[in-house]
Amino acid sequence: AQTVTQSQPEMSVQEAETVTLSCTYDTSESDYYLFWYKQPPSRQMILVIRQEAYKQQNATENRFSVNFQKAAKSFSLKISDSQLGDAAMYFCAYMWSSGAGSYQLTFGKGTKLSVIP
Amino acid sequence: ETGVTQSPTHLIKTRGQQVTLRCSSQSGHNTVSWYQQALGQGPQFIFQYYREEENGRGNFPPRFSGLQFPNYSSELNVNALELDDSALYLCASSLALAGLKTQYFGPGTRLLVL
Repeated sequence: AQTVTQSQPEMSVQEAETVTLSCTYDTSESDYYLFWYKQPPSRQMILVIRQEAYKQQNATENRFSVNFQKAAKSFSLKISDSQLGDAAMYFCAYMWSSGAGSYQLTFGKGTKLSVIP
Repeated sequence: ETGVTQSPTHLIKTRGQQVTLRCSSQSGHNTVSWYQQALGQGPQFIFQYYREEENGRGNFPPRFSGLQFPNYSSELNVNALELDDSALYLCASSLALAGLKTQYFGPGTRLLVL
């Protein structure tokens, strides 16, 4: 079964500093996709960054980057120059095919990130 | 480009009632997925619709059902509501056959069952 584990229920970071959120997953598939989503108190799930498993290069989106270690099944998110607006729940998600052309996301339990001014 | 929209934003029902939640997919997207997010948890996959048919389902009972319309909008119906159905219901749209199949989420509907 595909599972996603986020071992840090809560994290805090000083404004302008760097923080890394951890995520590990379990799968027997070789082709899949990984995502980080951000959910602020407004509830809207917002895509932060995505990674295709077949790509060795780590994805980067402005201040957000990932460290994708396929053999270790690890997918951590690094936020540089943290801003107050980064405070939110962060969910790691694994996308897999359940057959018949269906692709579903399995989410971790989330990490609550606080940004200290 | 229009994002994913959901209605209503909040809903209160009593146990045993039925509820319908609605979702309009992002412009150009033809696939809709529904997720249930209990308080303090990550979202759980309910089902996915493509070409007006359910083509994937998570571990949810048959009283959770859905529809997709020709314009790709979708409904989630829940019959015989139980207290544990209280949750945030998220709709996500995506484009099937696209390389990355990224799902974009709506703002959700908060359902409270009393």
